[in-house]
Amino acid sequence: DAKTTQPTSMDCAEGRAANLPCNHSTISGNEYVYWYRQIHSQGPQYIIHGLKNNETNEMASLIITEDRKSSTLILPHATLRDTAVYYCIVRVVDYGQNFVFGPGTRLSVLP
Amino acid sequence: GAVVSQHPSWVICKSGTSVKIECRSLDFQATTMFWYRQFPKQSLMLMATSNEGSKATYEQGVEKDKFLINHASLTLSTLTVTSAHPEDSSFYICSARPWGREGDEQYFGPGTRLTVT
Repeated sequence: DAKTTQPTSMDCAEGRAANLPCNHSTISGNEYVYWYRQIHSQGPQYIIHGLKNNETNEMASLIITEDRKSSTLILPHATLRDTAVYYCIVRVVDYGQNFVFGPGTRLSVLP
Repeated sequence: GAVVSQHPSWVICKSGTSVKIECRSLDFQATTMFWYRQFPKQSLMLMATSNEGSKATYEQGVEKDKFLINHASLTLSTLTVTSAHPEDSSFYICSARPWGREGDEQYFGPGTRLTVT
């Protein structure tokens, strides 16, 4: 079972920041937080991951609370192409460990 | 970045026939690959873990005799849906992780849409 809770859906205006929350209150000390997204009829695309520090890359920023029980993915300037289902996943760093997908958040970026 | 390909991207087959789907890691080696299935408006569900040179590990409820997995090399895993039925129609997605990079992200293929008529 997925160890995360996300809102079912969210809307965001084009050009605005999209803030997607994720609760992972039972996260263990050795589990990372990963974010993927899936555009319709495509395979999931990696966005970002982190352990406890905030992370930023060319796609997004990941803010993890100090107690690590929740996190927020930030898309700083959402575009229509960011419309997708966003998955927050916690996972132990182990080569054989797969990713367990929950239902995710369906983000709709509106013009 | 690392690329995972799948072939075919879509396939239509008749009930009772078998279909093979290939998953390739194009620029890295992967001793472990994963196969997922996704029904419309649902999330990805792990079917099996494919291990190079050994038998695949199937998730509970997935019939190993129906979904045959072969991981013959460090860059190729295949999923064969045997005696396909309309209820097997789904989006099949594979993923792989570069060997030796346990902390890295998992790379997903573009998926294969199977329609059984």
